Amino acid sequence: TQLLEQSPQFLSIQEGENLTVYCNSSSVFSSLQWYRQEPGEGPVLLVTVVTGGEVKKLKRLTFQFGDARKDSSLHITAAQPGDTGLYLCAGAGLDNFNKFYFGSGTKLNVKP
Amino acid sequence: NAGVTQTPKFRILKIGQSMTLQCTQDMNHNYMYWYRQDPGMGLKLIYYSVGAGITDKGEVPNGYNVSRSTTEDFPLRLELAAPSQTSVYFCASSRLAVGETQYFGPGTRLLVL
Repeated sequence: TQLLEQSPQFLSIQEGENLTVYCNSSSVFSSLQWYRQEPGEGPVLLVTVVTGGEVKKLKRLTFQFGDARKDSSLHITAAQPGDTGLYLCAGAGLDNFNKFYFGSGTKLNVKP
Repeated sequence: NAGVTQTPKFRILKIGQSMTLQCTQDMNHNYMYWYRQDPGMGLKLIYYSVGAGITDKGEVPNGYNVSRSTTEDFPLRLELAAPSQTSVYFCASSRLAVGETQYFGPGTRLLVL
């Protein structure tokens, strides 16, 4: 099993604050994805990173894949209540890229 | 396009009963996945399929079976339900594997009592 650990588990912040969520593993992944999940719904893909050191920006969200492809971070600038949700990272196995391993998630609450 | 649809939305099973969770996608995707999500946790892969007639085990396959006779359908069978199988089950599909978006269904909430 390729374990992905996310931190923090919970985050409650005020609107306008910045935050960073981390996704760490001792395993190397062929690619890594970030999803956001709202209560009662399935996860929705935010971004996929494939290359070590890759940085992708999606409006106020910045995603980084570690150089060794073992870790990733998600940074949100000026958080808004609409960013509230469960953020999940998922890595595709290096030996079998058909298998995805999910982290346990970071539950973010942005208060107005 | 309806995307990925799952039925039923919610089900209560007694210990030892069996059931099939249905999953259908209309995007002509080759890859399909079944995950389970326990409360406050991430998703764990149960089974996946890379095309009709081809399935393989994920992280937590014990107590489950799958089949893939068509591109569109990927049912998950629970035999002899146990309380440990209480969870929310998500089906997903993607065109390819690496770097491709997985589209998730709305989930099936299963309670085994």
